[in-house]
Amino acid sequence: QKEVEQDPGPLSVPEGAIVSLNCTYSNSAFQYFMWYRQYSRKGPELLMYTYSSGNKEDGRFTAQVDKSSKYISLFIRDSQPSDSATYLCAMSGNTGGFKTIFGAGTRLFVKA
Amino acid sequence: DTGVSQNPRHKITKRGQNVTFRCDPISEHNRLYWYRQTLGQGPEFLTYFQNEAQLEKSRLLSDRFSAERPKGSFSTLEIQRTEQGDSAMYLCASSLGDNSPLHFGNGTRLTVT
Repeated sequence: QKEVEQDPGPLSVPEGAIVSLNCTYSNSAFQYFMWYRQYSRKGPELLMYTYSSGNKEDGRFTAQVDKSSKYISLFIRDSQPSDSATYLCAMSGNTGGFKTIFGAGTRLFVKA
Repeated sequence: DTGVSQNPRHKITKRGQNVTFRCDPISEHNRLYWYRQTLGQGPEFLTYFQNEAQLEKSRLLSDRFSAERPKGSFSTLEIQRTEQGDSAMYLCASSLGDNSPLHFGNGTRLTVT
């Protein structure tokens, strides 16, 4: 079993839809949770960075962390064609090394 | 541009050749990481440096791989005797320290023929 599980999609939605992306994880030592956006042939770009449980909002993006369920989510409101990309969840903590572990990524297509 | 810089962007090599990639991190970041990403997968950790010290290496990093960060500034990743299975995107990232988020470069895409 992978430490971080993420549905690879693809997920296709119409422009303006609310998008929900999710990851589950198995290591309770993870404390820091991130979402990255990656366009084709580019490096991952940091979107959201949260600590422990709770919600964080930044513009059209909201990140949620539920440590009791080991489940994190990213919501995108009013989705745009420019949001079409791969979204990677990532997490880190005192796991015997502070490396960041990534999910496989979910490919999102927003149709105009 | 003060982001993470990687060179070259794309490298095509024949099986058995050696290749070297370079990463220039964000200047005030003392942590530097190397990851590998294959199609349809997330980045996989290879190794990281705190300043010039290499603190952790993944089991993915075979004896053919070596990384350096002389003087705690730029870093190089060398792959000796390349194999077709080494074909991947090699990503470099830097951060301020423990649990600070990683900032990535645009990677070096390696194709081994």
